[in-house]
Amino acid sequence: EPEVTQTPSHQVTQMGQEVILRCVPISNHLYFYWYRQILGQKVEFLVSFYNNEISEKSEIFDDQFSVERPDGSNFTLKIRSTKLEDSAMYFCASSEGGSLHNTEAFFGQGTRLTVV
Amino acid sequence: RKEVEQDPGPFNVPEGATVAFNCTYSNSASQSFFWYRQDCRKEPKLLMSVYSSGNEDGRFTAQLNRASQYISLLIRDSKLSDSATYLCVVTGYSSASKIIFGSGTRLSIRP
Repeated sequence: EPEVTQTPSHQVTQMGQEVILRCVPISNHLYFYWYRQILGQKVEFLVSFYNNEISEKSEIFDDQFSVERPDGSNFTLKIRSTKLEDSAMYFCASSEGGSLHNTEAFFGQGTRLTVV
Repeated sequence: RKEVEQDPGPFNVPEGATVAFNCTYSNSASQSFFWYRQDCRKEPKLLMSVYSSGNEDGRFTAQLNRASQYISLLIRDSKLSDSATYLCVVTGYSSASKIIFGSGTRLSIRP
């Protein structure tokens, strides 16, 4: 069964450092998402991406964050200068259609980011 | 008002019981609705889509009331393996728009 894969599974970084979280969406999917979940809290939307550009982003997704699809298969989330409060599980998701097409989003297993 | 609101629980019920979760959403233009399940420290996984006419999948029944902007999930004959957090998901304000998760309802099934 096709799946979304994320690497690394766990990343520890020092405050102020840049991190790149990597995702390989399901190959025929066109819509890509990043979410985060702080331990014990809800799943929060960060950004959606379609046709090589950001479709929508939340207020969490400030100038410290960026996304890229560098080679047609990977979908990356970069945090430029990490803060302690960026510590969370980051989930990548992809879907075949956009949200209006009632298609499910498949989630990767997540990258646990710990900022120290 | 929160975009998607759920009773956080926890619901603690005996095996075999029937349990129901509710969810309300604020944007009447929302198009698509889902229930996801999330196990502890795992990714969310789709449990079922929610259709206007209501739909059933084995022991699970989902219903949508657009007039009241309300979604429900009913689990019959609950199993120990049903213990998880159930996430109400609403999408579709615009094309490729964000998928909004409720904060989740925690369910614990006891033997």
